[in-house]
Amino acid sequence: AQSVAQPEDQVNVAEGNPLTVKCTYSVSGNPYLFWYVQYPNRGLQFLLKYITGDNLVKGSYGFEAEFNKSQTSFHLKKPSALVSDSALYFCAVRASNTGNQFYFGTGTSLTVIP
Amino acid sequence: SQTIHQWPATLVQPVGSPLSLECTVEGTSNPNLYWYRQAAGRGLQLLFYSVGIGQISSEVPQNLSASRPQDRQFILSSKKLLLSDSGFYLCAWGGLLGNTIYFGEGSWLTVV
Repeated sequence: AQSVAQPEDQVNVAEGNPLTVKCTYSVSGNPYLFWYVQYPNRGLQFLLKYITGDNLVKGSYGFEAEFNKSQTSFHLKKPSALVSDSALYFCAVRASNTGNQFYFGTGTSLTVIP
Repeated sequence: SQTIHQWPATLVQPVGSPLSLECTVEGTSNPNLYWYRQAAGRGLQLLFYSVGIGQISSEVPQNLSASRPQDRQFILSSKKLLLSDSGFYLCAWGGLLGNTIYFGEGSWLTVV
């Protein structure tokens, strides 16, 4: 079975500081991994994905994520946080070899403090 | 470019009443389509997905059903709503390669 864990419900970071939002996954076969952002009362917006290739992937709005196969992790990072980055962040996984289902974590609420 | 539309945006329905939420995609053919529910503003639960017309896979036994009468139309229904059906319902579409899915703006359902 495929699953995603986001161990932190809430992450607070000061504006200008680096941010990390954690994600670990469990999947049979090779994983496709994704990060999405959700602003209040809105749908989810795609940020970035890892399919294959370089373990460090870059996405929208200066975000990046590092795929670590040995630790089964895909943490989201940004070198310098903005107040406008405050939102709910979701990690998702899809197994490359089974079906079309995408499974999401429970979300991490990021607050960037001015 | 591809776009996805969901309606209605908000809905307040009494317990026991029927439900119909509609989702349509433009600018692509034969998309994979998905219905998710987000309860309490947090985790997403996959309810249904479809890889083609009339092909519906259910992830969790529900008081809900889904149908895909046309290639780019996905409908979420219920014959009799329960209080526990309240939540934020999100439709999403993905291409044939299945590498990414893109979400609509969601529909808020409150069952009273």
